[in-house]
Amino acid sequence: DAKTTQPNSMESNEEEPVHLPCNHSTISGTDYIHWYRQLPSQGPEYVIHGLTSNVNNRMASLAIAEDRKSSTLILHRATLRDAAVYYCILRDNYGQNFVFGPGTRLSVLP
Amino acid sequence: NAGVTQTPKFQVLKTGQSMTLQCAQDMNHEYMSWYRQDPGMGLRLIHYSVGAGITDQGEVPNGYNVSRSTTEDFPLRLLSAAPSQTSVYFCASSYSFRGPYEQYFGPGTRLTVT
Repeated sequence: DAKTTQPNSMESNEEEPVHLPCNHSTISGTDYIHWYRQLPSQGPEYVIHGLTSNVNNRMASLAIAEDRKSSTLILHRATLRDAAVYYCILRDNYGQNFVFGPGTRLSVLP
Repeated sequence: NAGVTQTPKFQVLKTGQSMTLQCAQDMNHEYMSWYRQDPGMGLRLIHYSVGAGITDQGEVPNGYNVSRSTTEDFPLRLLSAAPSQTSVYFCASSYSFRGPYEQYFGPGTRLTVT
């Protein structure tokens, strides 16, 4: 499985944008980049995914580098509810399990 | 849709006891999986299934059994509980094993083995 590297923790102020980085230098051409988050005492939930182009949805934006070796999850205005562990996962399209690393613990300060 | 449901929410077992964690989904999803999450750690895959009648081992399968007799249900059996199995267990499902489909997770079962 291709590996991802994320910072252990990050802090943000409420109502400010947050950029969560993920490095995946060994990504293959068929790997999708998935982001999940896990709120305290809950199961993980889907945030966003992409292959090559930047993606937007109601929760976040995903910016993918042109060489696909890194990506950034963007929360446009952090709220206290966004405090969670964020996981960046690579998974190909042909049938692979999701492999969760330790993720980035995001703290949001009021 | 109820999504992915898990029972029980909490369980305390004595060493050597057996039990079954229940997982069900009502989305007609083909792919289901079980993870465990130890304190401060990421999720580790125990077993998974790509369809009814088909199961396979994940990263940490020892001490656990699964079966998939229907599309909806994917129970996880602890054969002889050990303190090392104290963890939070999450069940997940996805439309298909192939393709960029999101996984839906249940609320988890918190298991303590004394």
